[in-house]
Amino acid sequence: SQQGEEDPQALSIQEGENATMNCSYKTSINNLQWYRQNSGRGLVHLILIRSNEREKHSGRLRVTLDTSKKSSSLLITASRAADTASYFCAPQGRETSGSRLTFGEGTQLTVNP
Amino acid sequence: DTEVTQTPKHLVMGMTNKKSLKCEQHMGHRAMYWYKQKAKKPPELMFVYSYEKLSINESVPSRFSPECPNSSLLNLHLHALQPEDSALYLCASSKGVRGVRWPQHFGDGTRLSIL
Repeated sequence: SQQGEEDPQALSIQEGENATMNCSYKTSINNLQWYRQNSGRGLVHLILIRSNEREKHSGRLRVTLDTSKKSSSLLITASRAADTASYFCAPQGRETSGSRLTFGEGTQLTVNP
Repeated sequence: DTEVTQTPKHLVMGMTNKKSLKCEQHMGHRAMYWYKQKAKKPPELMFVYSYEKLSINESVPSRFSPECPNSSLLNLHLHALQPEDSALYLCASSKGVRGVRWPQHFGDGTRLSIL
């Protein structure tokens, strides 16, 4: 099944800076989802971007999708200490059952106060 | 607070015990999921229920037995587990599984330790 690869594996920034995480995948997708997981908690859905969309915004989050490069990026602007978490992408291929999500290894973001 | 509630939050059990993990959602979602997550790893899908029927079993050992009594509840029955089964078990739900790809809503998990 489709699995994304996040890059970098770990990112450490100062509060107020922007954080960019990337996700690459191998085959055609129907959509790509980003999730956040705070330590000791479950995953929280952030954004779903469909294959015919190039950019999507939600508050301080901006997701882009480049299907020609098979990649997506998640930008968090004006980061806060509370943004410290692991971020996972989950591309869903056209052949994938609508229910199956396969997560990459994730990016561990640390925002220092 | 999450909209998917999992109990218990922590569970310690011996290899010969039988226990159950519970998951509940009241969002009217018709798909529910079990994931297993080891430390510093991504969640791995175990089971998917769609309209209370098991639709995906990711070759999970039979010592894990899922059950979906109704559209709001999902159980995971555990029996004769091994130490390597120690992990965070996450439950999730979504509106459906067909057609539009719906985002999944996760509970905070049950941290399971096998002695």
